[in-house]
Amino acid sequence: DTAVSQTPKYLVTQMGNDKSIKCEQNLGHDTMYWYKQDSKKFLKIMFSYNNKELIINETVPNRFSPKSPDKAHLNLHINSLELGDSAVYFCASSQDLGGTQETQYFGPGTRLLVL
Amino acid sequence: GNSVTQMEGPVTLSEEAFLTINCTYTATGYPSLFWYVQYPGEGLQLLLKATKADDKGSNKGFEATYRKETTSFHLEKGSVQVSDSAVYFCALSVLYYGGSQGNLIFGKGTKLSVKP
Repeated sequence: DTAVSQTPKYLVTQMGNDKSIKCEQNLGHDTMYWYKQDSKKFLKIMFSYNNKELIINETVPNRFSPKSPDKAHLNLHINSLELGDSAVYFCASSQDLGGTQETQYFGPGTRLLVL
Repeated sequence: GNSVTQMEGPVTLSEEAFLTINCTYTATGYPSLFWYVQYPGEGLQLLLKATKADDKGSNKGFEATYRKETTSFHLEKGSVQVSDSAVYFCALSVLYYGGSQGNLIFGKGTKLSVKP
């Protein structure tokens, strides 16, 4: 009955590789997000999608590309991985009621380590 | 710009002690304010929120009041338990570039450890 799920939970890979992280939500929400949490626990938004449309796109290298096949899924593809990409990546979702009051529901995170 | 400042951690308390975690913000417009909690090895979950000035959010014995005059949203609990050990994030939500989509901006988090 997991509301927001991510796979894989852990990802260890070499520099230069390409990898994907998958996210699925079963809450019926219209908006999904990707966040990056660095080693100091600082959490910053990367992207958000609403009904498969890109809404928020912060200053993120274009090696990162989100893909939303449908509104229940938002995957993150990373090309040419670098050491600095090592972090925990969180997916989240919220119901699209507009405005600032939305509660976001977070997945368990994907711990990426680039060697 | 929009930003959130939280007190630096870690904070270590004994069980049943009083907890305060300070949070102040800078925002354009009328933000909503949130506290999220992250237990070890897990994702974030909403603890409480307040959507307008003077609102008080509360949950699981935690409280925070939206103070517009001091731009603050301090988290308090009267008697902490070992199970409250976690990282606490203060956050604000503002409309993203004047559109209709809310954008959550987080503070740096405060780690709380409660000893028995």
